[in-house]
Order: sequence, then C-alpha cells, then structure tokens
Amino acid sequence: EVQLLESGGGLVQPGGSLRLSCAASGFTFSSYAMSWVRQAPGKGLEWLSVISGSGGSTYYADSVKGRFTISRDNSKNTLYLQVNSLRAEDTAVYFCAKGPVTSIYYFDYWGQGTLVTVSS
Amino acid sequence: DIQMTQSPSSLSASVGDRVTITCRASQGISNYLAWYQQKPGKVPKLLIYAASTLQSGVPSRFSGRGSGTDFTLTISSLQPEDVATYYCQKYNSAPYTFGQGTKLEIK
Repeated sequence: EVQLLESGGGLVQPGGSLRLSCAASGFTFSSYAMSWVRQAPGKGLEWLSVISGSGGSTYYADSVKGRFTISRDNSKNTLYLQVNSLRAEDTAVYFCAKGPVTSIYYFDYWGQGTLVTVSS
Repeated sequence: DIQMTQSPSSLSASVGDRVTITCRASQGISNYLAWYQQKPGKVPKLLIYAASTLQSGVPSRFSGRGSGTDFTLTISSLQPEDVATYYCQKYNSAPYTFGQGTKLEIK
C-alpha cells in the first residue's frame, strides 16, 4: 500500500525557513517522480515543484522559484522541500504527491498534508 | 506560461443529472490533462489522466474527453457522494498548473 507522510510544518515568522519532509513507503521510491502541491485556506490547488525519480530533473512554479528547493534522498525514501524567505501568502497545507512513473507529472497518490502558517 | 481555466466555477445539480465541467488551456497541450476530485476536508484523488483514461477504481459514471485546448469531465448520473471540488491539471511541460477548481453541489 502506497503511503506518503508529510512532516515539518508549523508556525513560522515572516522571513523564516522550514524543511518539509515526505516519508514514502509501499513502492520503489526511486522509480517515481514526486511533487509538492499546496492549498491555502479555502483556496484551490497550487502546484509548486516536481523532481524526477533520479533527482536529476527539477521544476518550480514561478511563485516559489529561488525561495523553495525540492530534493530527495532515495536511500531514505524521503522527499524534501526547503522553504525559505516565507511570506504570509505561503500559509497553506503542503501536500506531497507521487507521479505514475519517473518523469510523468500528474499525481496518483497524495499525502495528508502538513500545515505551514506564516505569521508574526 | 499556459493558463488553465475551468468553467463553471460552481455548479448545483440534482441527483441523477448529467454534469459536465470544462477545462480550457490557453495553448495546446495534446492530451496531457488530468482531473482530480477533492471532497470537503479530504485529499485530492486522481480521477482521469491522459484526458480520457479512467484511473483504476474510479466509477464508470466519470468520463473525460478532449485534446488540444478544450477538455471536459462528465458525470453521467450525479450521486450524492460526488459532492466535491474538481480540478484539471496540465502535465505536458512545466509549470504543471492546476485549474482554479469547480465546486459541485447537490441541488
């Protein structure tokens, strides 16, 4: 059974940083693309970033380029999102999601999400 | 960047109705389109990929059509459990943008 478990969210001050993690199990992690998607309170889904199975390809939304960094550790079956220079508008639930293969970027499994709140 | 526009933004229909949601891309994306369902308080669920391929386990009352710039998601006979917000997503190239969502309610 595929399981994705996010962690690392919390309350952070504007300008602060967090590292979000997504622990994966139930599939061969290195064979699949992984992505981060967020959802602000009461709003729609916003795609943020994706990384290929090997980690060799990464892509970002313009809204987070230069502030967020996606990475993965295939030996630990874990996906990461380093989020820096946080702003109030980054307040959202952050989901990790799994692609169907290594380099196709729709998402067939989603985690439950971790809440990031940016506030002073 | 290619923009994804869904219509309508919200929709109210009766049980048993045929419901259609539209997603339009500002440029052609071939058939690189997925549809998701997000029930209130729940995680998004993949319904359809490649514009018309039903994900395993998804009821056959859901169907997708389209190619290029215009796509539709149809529910052939609306059920109470279909109350949700539906999103399209392009995946031909980055950015892998979602539409703004269509909120579906029961009349």
